Amino acid sequence: SQKIEQNSEALNIQEGKTATLTCNYTNYSPAYLQWYRQDPGRGPVFLLLIRENEKEKRKERLKVTFDTTLKQSLFHITASQPADSATYLCALGGVRGYNKLIFGAGTRLAVHP
Amino acid sequence: DAGVIQSPRHEVTEMGQEVTLRCKPISGHNSLFWYRQTMMRGLELLIYFNNNVPIDDSGMPEDRFSAKMPNASFSTLKIQPSEPRDSAVYFCASSSQGSDTQYFGPGTRLTVL
Repeated sequence: SQKIEQNSEALNIQEGKTATLTCNYTNYSPAYLQWYRQDPGRGPVFLLLIRENEKEKRKERLKVTFDTTLKQSLFHITASQPADSATYLCALGGVRGYNKLIFGAGTRLAVHP
Repeated sequence: DAGVIQSPRHEVTEMGQEVTLRCKPISGHNSLFWYRQTMMRGLELLIYFNNNVPIDDSGMPEDRFSAKMPNASFSTLKIQPSEPRDSAVYFCASSSQGSDTQYFGPGTRLTVL
């Protein structure tokens, strides 16, 4: 069956460290993968998009990798700050040719001072 | 520039009542998505419009749910009759032609008693 898995437990890290979040999927062949940030009581906010022919993408302190063989994406936040505390959602896109997204359940990140 | 606008932000109603949620996408965006988010099921796509035409409504749970997009700047999601299991946060998102990024509204928190 089709599945998207993200770390179900919260990730707690110390300020200044690198946070690494994982997104694994099975039985999908996405054309691209996106990462969104969601704060409590708010809608998701787009962070990064990586396409199937790209291995890595960076934006400021954020880095995402995409391995279509392993069916996995890793999302890194370097030099993390308490303001990075939020839930991070991965989303598969371009499945069956549409630009609709299929979201994972999200991972809650808590960065402690 | 205004983002996606949703109303109401909170809705409390009694079982059996009709509920109408409203969305105004970002001006110039031609794709509109309705999602539902719950703790149990995460963020699920209900229906997707492109150029005001419903493209994929496979996520609409049952006949009690209906969605319309009479013009490029307005969409509604209606639940009739509502049931307690419909309690969730409903998000509307929009995207522009040729873009894979979705912009989410603040959501409507629906509670059905």
